Amino acid sequence: ILNVEQSPQSLHVQEGDSTNFTCSFPSSNFYALHWYRWETAKSPEALFVMTLNGDEKKKGRISATLNTKEGYSYLYIKGSQPEDSATYLCAFSSRAQKLVFGQGTRLTINP
Amino acid sequence: GAGVSQSPRYKVAKRGQDVALRCDPISGHVSLFWYQQALGQGPEFLTYFQNEAQLDKSGLPSDRFFAERPEGSVSTLKIQRTQQEDSAVYLCASSSYREVGHGYTFGSGTRLTVV
Repeated sequence: ILNVEQSPQSLHVQEGDSTNFTCSFPSSNFYALHWYRWETAKSPEALFVMTLNGDEKKKGRISATLNTKEGYSYLYIKGSQPEDSATYLCAFSSRAQKLVFGQGTRLTINP
Repeated sequence: GAGVSQSPRYKVAKRGQDVALRCDPISGHVSLFWYQQALGQGPEFLTYFQNEAQLDKSGLPSDRFFAERPEGSVSTLKIQRTQQEDSAVYLCASSSYREVGHGYTFGSGTRLTVV
């Protein structure tokens, strides 16, 4: 059974502060690691898809790193804004066409 | 359309009732997925289509769940004789790729409540 764990489960951050959270996944049969942002009442939005060990990707104030040998990825948000409040989901895929999701990190930015 | 459209947005069903959830993927997307998200959990894979072919249905929890995509575009997820444990958000996603390693576009989901 594939297990994807995210920590912490929830996080409150002051506006302007930077934050990060973790996704751990199986290091065997790895093919890709996905990050999604899911705001309440909206669709999950793709942030990053990473496939190579050592990958670092950036989108505005959000960045992510990938370590496939040890099975973890970090998501960083620099200078948090209220619009960053959402649930952040990571998902692992092997060569099978399906994603195995973690339970998500619920981020709340306090103004 | 511009995105993946799911309907209805909310559905309340009495236990034992049959329900049908619809997904309109992005036009031309060959891959289509259904996921189930129970409260407090991450989404869990149900089934995957490539065009009209259902290539993986390993995540369907019981034979009460059935999915189809007869013309390779719109898909319907049908749940027969609904039970309370079927209460969840059902997400549909599509992709223009056949291969893994690419992001998917998700719909907003259908929230099913079985009473």
